[in-house]
Amino acid sequence: EDKVVQSPLSLVVHEGDTVTLNCSYEVTNFRSLLWYKQEKKAPTFLFMLTSSGIEKKSGRLSSILDKKELFSILNITATQTGDSAVYLCAVEVRVGFGNEKLTFGTGTRLTIIP
Amino acid sequence: ETGVTQTPRHLVMGMTNKKSLKCEQHLGHNAMYWYKQSAKKPLELMFVYNFKEQTENNSVPSRFSPECPNSSHLFLHLHTLQPEDSALYLCASSQDRGGAQYFGPGTRLLVL
Repeated sequence: EDKVVQSPLSLVVHEGDTVTLNCSYEVTNFRSLLWYKQEKKAPTFLFMLTSSGIEKKSGRLSSILDKKELFSILNITATQTGDSAVYLCAVEVRVGFGNEKLTFGTGTRLTIIP
Repeated sequence: ETGVTQTPRHLVMGMTNKKSLKCEQHLGHNAMYWYKQSAKKPLELMFVYNFKEQTENNSVPSRFSPECPNSSHLFLHLHTLQPEDSALYLCASSQDRGGAQYFGPGTRLLVL
């Protein structure tokens, strides 16, 4: 059974701190790994990673994938209160020809204290 | 706004009611999905439609019935639900069956 594990489950830091969120996975037929941010309801897409060792960056957020060790990290520098959210990691696996499926972790709840 | 809309945003229903959730995507995508999100659990994939054809039914009870009349619209028909079906129901779409999925705001469902 495909498994995606995120850690920590929750994290509370002060504004301005840097945080690192972890996602490890055990799946068959890995295709890609995705990060989402979920504030109130709709998860919003952040990054999609397919290649090992290549950092994706968007402003203060960055992410990298290690396909050998089967994990990814999401870094947020100079955190702001608007970064408070649940961060979801999902792994896309191929389940058949032209058929892919996302398996999600339970998420990391990040709280930024002003 | 992500280009995926869902209605209603909140729904309270009794166990004998019949209701429908609606999802519409304005992104020109070909694949649409229904997910269930319960407290402290990962998102659970329920149904997948690719080019209006259902390609996956993840062992969902028959009291949930999806309908996809075209690539832009997706419905989830609900009947004789149980209290444990209370959850956030999220719709998503992607360009094709694979790649980044874009989510709607969800419908918060409470079954009494």
